[in-house]
Amino acid sequence: AQSVTQLDSHVSVSEGTPVLLRCNYSSSYSPSLFWYVQHPNKGLQLLLKYTSAATLVKGINGFEAEFKKSETSFHLTKPSAHMSDAAEYFCVVSPRYNQGGKLIFGQGTELSVKP
Amino acid sequence: DARVTQTPRHKVTEMGQEVTMRCQPILGHNTVFWYRQTMMQGLELLAYFRNRAPLDDSGMPKDRFSAEMPDATLATLKIQPSEPRDSAVYFCASGLPTPGYYEQYFGPGTRLTVT
Repeated sequence: AQSVTQLDSHVSVSEGTPVLLRCNYSSSYSPSLFWYVQHPNKGLQLLLKYTSAATLVKGINGFEAEFKKSETSFHLTKPSAHMSDAAEYFCVVSPRYNQGGKLIFGQGTELSVKP
Repeated sequence: DARVTQTPRHKVTEMGQEVTMRCQPILGHNTVFWYRQTMMQGLELLAYFRNRAPLDDSGMPKDRFSAEMPDATLATLKIQPSEPRDSAVYFCASGLPTPGYYEQYFGPGTRLTVT
């Protein structure tokens, strides 16, 4: 069985400072992992994905995440926060394609960015 | 730029009325998902289809909710009769299984308010 835990429900940073959103996963096989972002009153947008290629994955808007198998982690980072980064972020585990397609979502981390 | 579209974007209705939400998946995607998002429960998977056939609707209250795919370009979610507790944002997502994982693209959502 797969599961995902986002370690912080809310993170607050100042504009221009680094962002770290933490995610741990549990999976009985080598997982595929995603980060989605949801801005207020919007749908979910795929930020980046890890699919067993390079362990350091770059996404849109300057975000990146590193897959660490030994730590079962997939933390999301950005060197310098921007006001427009304020949103809810979801870490997601994808099942294998022959297991139905049901994504497993973390509870979400709300990122606030202070001027 | 291919996108999932959903109509209506907002719906306000009275308790007991029928509500129909529509989704147009990205052309060529063979899997369609319906999610519901509330502050209390977060994101919940209601049902999903592959190649227009329902695969799993265990997340849906069967007595009042129904989901269908009349054709490959249209998915519908109906609530009859609606109740105030159905007030939520309903998201549709579509995807195409890639060997090893699923990737889903979300629509902008339908915000439903039942009074």
